This record gives sequence, structure tokens and C-alpha cells, in this order.
Amino acid sequence: DGGITQSPKYLFRKEGQNVTLSCEQNLNHDAMYWYRQDPGQGLRLIYYSQIVNDFQKGDIAEGYSVSREKKESFPLTVTSAQKNPTAFYLCASSTQGAWTEAFFGQGTRLTVV
Amino acid sequence: AQSVTQLDSHVSVSEGTPVLLRCNYSSSYSPSLFWYVQHPNKGLQLLLKYTSAATLVKGINGFEAEFKKSETSFHLTKPSAHMSDAAEYFCVTSSSNTGKLIFGQGTTLQVKP
Repeated sequence: DGGITQSPKYLFRKEGQNVTLSCEQNLNHDAMYWYRQDPGQGLRLIYYSQIVNDFQKGDIAEGYSVSREKKESFPLTVTSAQKNPTAFYLCASSTQGAWTEAFFGQGTRLTVV
Repeated sequence: AQSVTQLDSHVSVSEGTPVLLRCNYSSSYSPSLFWYVQHPNKGLQLLLKYTSAATLVKGINGFEAEFKKSETSFHLTKPSAHMSDAAEYFCVTSSSNTGKLIFGQGTTLQVKP
């Protein structure tokens, strides 16, 4: 089945550690996105990529990094510089253009312990 | 700049009664508009999308939305609420330049037995 897969579903991080969230899609989409969701808030864009080997910062990129070496994959690293990383992280993908909907993964819940 | 505003942060209805979730948009041209639903700890699922082909858009699970240019609105409706409709709903538009999604703040729908 075509879709977008995030792993792991739950992730625990110690203070000062970097962690990487995985996002893979087999929809042949060019664009991929990472969002952060906090309780009672909407989705905030962290990074997005419209093509392989290229990505742009979103609204809250500080403390995060990404790579886009393959079309199918867009991993997100939460670095120790992110002071409040506990949140629900959502990855999405879409074809190019303003009229196309995005498809979302099931999310990763990251908790700092 | 494009934006969407969801007019209610929380809506409560009784099972079997109509649902109305309100969304206004701001755009200097004909926008693309979407409604997504998110159940707890899940990713977002597309309910329906407006692509200028028809002003009344039918989606999944009995939902529909009407695009009203004169009112700059794209309200989501359903004739009869089910308990399974309880979730978070997002009105979304898309940037004409980049295709990035622009989210409203979300509306929590509560369905009472």
C-alpha cells in the first residue's frame, strides 16, 4: 500500500541527546514536510523540502536539522539545542503545487525524560 | 498573504444533530482549501478539498463544505453527528508560491451521547 510511515511511534530522549525521527514515503512525492504539534495548538512548520538535496527552514527550525538525500526519506534530527522538544511530530508529503493535498504519517511522540 | 481562521476553538453537539465548523480564508485570488481531521494521537486525514471545480464539495464520512467567495468562507458541515466524529478539525490553505500548507488553529469537536 502507498503511504507515509513515521517511526518510532514513541520516543524518549534524555537531556542533551540528539534523536532522529524517521519519515519514509512511497507515494513518489517531491515535497516533504515536518510539523510540530503542541497541546491546544495548531501545526507549526519546522522544515520542508521540495526536491532531493534541497530543503528550507520553516517557522520554528531552531534546534532541528534535516536531510533529503533520497526522494523517499526526510529524517528529522532534534538536537540538544532544542530547549523544549517534547511534542508530537508529524511528517507529510505532497506533489508540487498549491492545489494538491498533503498526506500525513501517524506521528511520533517525543518525550524528554 | 494567505491565511485561514477557524472561528471556534471548541464545538459541542449532541449525537444525531448537525455539525457546523466555521472557517474563513484570506487570499487575493482563488485559493485551494482543505479540511483535515485528526483523532487523538493520530496523523491528519483529508476530509475534502476545494479546487474551484464546484463550490459545494462532498467529502468522506458524510461531511461537506461550501466555498462562498462573497463571504470568504469554507464552513464544514454534516447533517447528523456520530460519536466517531469527535476529533480535531483543521481548515487549511496552500501557498500559491511554494505549495506549503497553512493551517488554522483547529476546532475540537465534542459529540455528546
